[in-house]
Amino acid sequence: DAGITQSPRHKVTETGTPVTLRCHQTENHRYMYWYRQDPGHGLRLIHYSYGVKDTDKGEVSDGYSVSRSKTEDFLLTLESATSSQTSVYFCAISEWTGKNSYEQYFGPGTRLTVT
Amino acid sequence: SQKIEQNSEALNIQEGKTATLTCNYTNYSPAYLQWYRQDPGRGPVFLLLIRENEKEKRKERLKVTFDTTLKQSLFHITASQPADSATYLCAPMDSNYQLIWGAGTKLIIKP
Repeated sequence: DAGITQSPRHKVTETGTPVTLRCHQTENHRYMYWYRQDPGHGLRLIHYSYGVKDTDKGEVSDGYSVSRSKTEDFLLTLESATSSQTSVYFCAISEWTGKNSYEQYFGPGTRLTVT
Repeated sequence: SQKIEQNSEALNIQEGKTATLTCNYTNYSPAYLQWYRQDPGRGPVFLLLIRENEKEKRKERLKVTFDTTLKQSLFHITASQPADSATYLCAPMDSNYQLIWGAGTKLIIKP
């Protein structure tokens, strides 16, 4: 398995509180992604990073911010959590391999509940 | 907007038969298309990638086809086994090299 960990794995928080999720990789991959997965929906990209301090928005970035100060860590912050942000959050990494262009490796996920 | 459609109903297949899953996409022309497997409570796992100039790609019991005219990819598992039961996700790549994900099809292989 690719060396990707996410923390915490489960979290329950109250509406209006800030939350930070952490993704840590040991593969030295350039690209890192944050997705959310909800029933009936495909994975939806929140933000991604193409290098240290280089990030960009995805399809559903409103209410989320990210930071990448080191190659191995990618943080997702919910500045003020809302119930609509209750979801399972996945971190993924990828690297250009030529053969399997941008094949993504996923972390185990974080289940976030906002009450 | 770009849209990916996979059969939302679970697909029930008898062990030993071939399972065929469908992925349709609209409003764009991906150069690559990937298939992933996802088990309950876990992250997706990459299975196969097919390029737009490839009609078919095989890996062991898996086969993927890519019809750019029909805007469709088919994913086949031959000699299916109960261990193949999972949700399978289709993910074409857009022009920014981002994956656009289908909601997945749940495959159930019955012994």
